[in-house]
Amino acid sequence: SQQGEEDPQALSIQEGENATMNCSYKTSINNLQWYRQNSGRGLVHLILIRSNEREKHSGRLRVTLDTSKKSSSLLITASRAADTASYFCTYSGNTPLVFGKGTRLSVIA
Amino acid sequence: GAGVSQTPSNKVTEKGKYVELRCDPISGHTALYWYRQSLGQGPEFLIYFQGTGAADDSGLPNDRFFAVRPEGSVSTLKIQRTERGDSAVYLCASSLWGDTDEQFFGPGTRLTVL
Repeated sequence: SQQGEEDPQALSIQEGENATMNCSYKTSINNLQWYRQNSGRGLVHLILIRSNEREKHSGRLRVTLDTSKKSSSLLITASRAADTASYFCTYSGNTPLVFGKGTRLSVIA
Repeated sequence: GAGVSQTPSNKVTEKGKYVELRCDPISGHTALYWYRQSLGQGPEFLIYFQGTGAADDSGLPNDRFFAVRPEGSVSTLKIQRTERGDSAVYLCASSLWGDTDEQFFGPGTRLTVL
């Protein structure tokens, strides 16, 4: 199946550090979205970037999109313990909505 | 109203039984999605409704799975002859227009098939 792939699968950092996670995909897209999932809960939308955008910011979040490389990155700056969660990318295009396996981020206080 | 709600929050059933899972989307959202998520995995797309009709049901794993949205609001996911492999968290999401929009997720229904 055409599934987005997040990288790394797991990431552990100290509070205050920046966290970067990546997403790769295989098809043409209309937009790409990042979601966060805290343990045992539903997903929360973080940010949406359209295929004609290259970078987008929202608070401590920065997302980039490189359609030539079919990849996106999510940067969380000045991380907090509350950022501990799984992060997923998903995209819409000519395939059903797909999510990757996610990046499990642990922020240590 | 508030966010997307799903009932029940937990469902334990025996192999071979029939189950129904309900999703109440955000009022006014035309698009509704069902996913299932196994431990350590991302959500797996099942079906997407636009209004009352299934715009894409290619993710339904087999004919034991069926979903309806008769009035374009509440949706029910129905699973016949449940199998142990159906055990997962079933997530519902809704969005205002369609699959290019932000999705709002419910808390999920944890289904356990014994």
